[in-house]
Amino acid sequence: AQTVTQSQPEMSVQEAETVTLSCTYDTSESDYYLFWYKQPPSRQMILVIRQEAYKQQNATENRFSVNFQKAAKSFSLKISDSQLGDAAMYFCAYRSRLGQNFVFGPGTRLSVLP
Amino acid sequence: DTAVSQTPKYLVTQMGNDKSIKCEQNLGHDTMYWYKQDSKKFLKIMFSYNNKELIINETVPNRFSPKSPDKAHLNLHINSLELGDSAVYFCASSQTSNTEAFFGQGTRLTVV
Repeated sequence: AQTVTQSQPEMSVQEAETVTLSCTYDTSESDYYLFWYKQPPSRQMILVIRQEAYKQQNATENRFSVNFQKAAKSFSLKISDSQLGDAAMYFCAYRSRLGQNFVFGPGTRLSVLP
Repeated sequence: DTAVSQTPKYLVTQMGNDKSIKCEQNLGHDTMYWYKQDSKKFLKIMFSYNNKELIINETVPNRFSPKSPDKAHLNLHINSLELGDSAVYFCASSQTSNTEAFFGQGTRLTVV
């Protein structure tokens, strides 16, 4: 079974600075998807970014980018120019290409300091 | 306009009661899910349906019973509620050929 690990339960960053959230996963499959979801205090789960394992190029979405290291099974999220609205729980998630289940990591709580 | 909607958003009930949470998606997706988020924010799959067929049924007490009348709806019925059932329950949907899951706003269930 696949597992997802986020080793940082909490992180903080100064407004306008850059922060990187870590994620590692365990799988024997070669074709899969990886995601970062954001959960603000409103508790809505919001997709931040996704990565397809067969693509070598790291995904980017505005201030959000990932560092995908397939051999190391690592998928970190970099947030640039952090804003107060970025404060939230961030979940890393895995989905097998053929599977129906999304496996989530335990989450990282990000605080943004003014 | 809401893609995945759950009702109710909040549910407070007494131990031993039976309650239902409803979920509907208007995205045309073929797969729907129920996830449970505990007090430590950990998200765990409970059930998944693909085109109205149950495909994932994790180790969940049989007091929890999902029902999918059509592929746009997935309801969760809980019998004989216990204190430990208190959590946030999320409905989600995805398309087999696509990638990400879309989530409802969650239902915070409090059992007193």
